[in-house]
Parts: sequence; structure tokens; C-alpha cells
Amino acid sequence: AQTVTQSQPEMSVQEAETVTLSCTYDTSESNYYLFWYKQPPSRQMILVIRQEAYKQQNATENRFSVNFQKAAKSFSLKISDSQLGDTAMYFCAFNNNDMRFGAGTRLTVKP
Amino acid sequence: EAGVAQSPRYKIIEKRQSVAFWCNPISGHATLYWYQQILGQGPKLLIQFQNNGVVDDSQLPKDRFSAERLKGVDSTLKIQPAKLEDSAVYLCASSLTSGGFDEQFFGPGTRLTVL
Repeated sequence: AQTVTQSQPEMSVQEAETVTLSCTYDTSESNYYLFWYKQPPSRQMILVIRQEAYKQQNATENRFSVNFQKAAKSFSLKISDSQLGDTAMYFCAFNNNDMRFGAGTRLTVKP
Repeated sequence: EAGVAQSPRYKIIEKRQSVAFWCNPISGHATLYWYQQILGQGPKLLIQFQNNGVVDDSQLPKDRFSAERLKGVDSTLKIQPAKLEDSAVYLCASSLTSGGFDEQFFGPGTRLTVL
């Protein structure tokens, strides 16, 4: 069974700085999809960024980018120029016919 | 565009009682998901529908949980009888297709407390 591990339960960063959230996964499949979702306090979960495993180029969305290392089964999220609104739970997820989420990393952006 | 709607937002019940949750997905979305999110954990997929058919219910505790999606639109998730360990937030999500790369849009969730 596929598993997703987020080894950092909590992280904090100063406003305007850069932070990287870690995610590793375990699978024997070669084709799959990876996601980072954000769950702000008392608000709905929304997609931050996604990556197709067969694409070597790392995905980027404005201030958000990933470092996808397929051989290492690693999928980290980098947030540049952190903003107060980035404060949230961040979930890494793996999808190959059924979505599996990690336990999440609580990120706090400090002013 | 209206988002995924869920009701009720909160529910408190005694153990062994039954409870039902309702979800209305985004219009036109063929795929609907129910997740269970226990405090401090990531969401766990309970069941996935493609239109009104079940695609995956491998993690649904079928002795007490049931779900249906009549007419391929709204869906209900029922627990009968509830146990203390069912206390969680139940999230509904929808996506345009069942493609693995599709973005899932989540509702606000129903927070269930079983006493």
C-alpha cells in the first residue's frame, strides 16, 4: 500500500523568508501524481501545486515550487517570500487510483 | 461558481446512535469523494463515486458506514451505529473526472463528535 510521510509536524518561518516542507512516499508504481494541499485555519482545503511523476521538470506556481526526486521518492514544497496568509496545515498527497494523504505539517508564518 | 456544499457543519451524538451527512458537489463534477479526517491526521479516503457508481470503497467500514449517490449528483454518508472512534471531520470533495491528476475541490466538512 502506498504511504505518505511528512516528518515535520510543525514549522515556523518569518514573513518574507523561504521555507521548505518535506514529504516522502512509498510506492512500487512508476506512474502516479503528487499534490500539496493547504488547509487554512477553519477554512476549506485547497490545492497548492501538483506534479505528474513522469515529468522530470519541477512544478512551480508563483511563490510555490516543488523539488521532485523520483528515485528518492521525495516531493518537497518550497514557499518563497512567505506571507501571513500562508499560515495553514499543509498536506502532501499521492494518487494512483486512490488518494493518500500525509499527516500534515502545521506552518506558522510570523510577522 | 458555487463550491462543494456540506451539511450539517457540526453534529454531536451519543454512541450507538445513527447520523447522516449530505454533500452537494460542484455542478458538472462526475467524481465525488468522502474522506474521514481524525484530529491530527490527514484525510483518509472512505469512498469514491464516479457518477452514481462506486469506484473505490476499500477503506469504508461497511459494517457501520454506508454511502450513496443517487442520480449521480448529491451524496449522503451514513453511520449506524456510531462509535467513539468515529469522532472526526467528514470531508466531501469533487472533481471534474476521475483522472488521477484532477484537482479535488473540498467542502467545509462536517465535524462529528460521538459521546
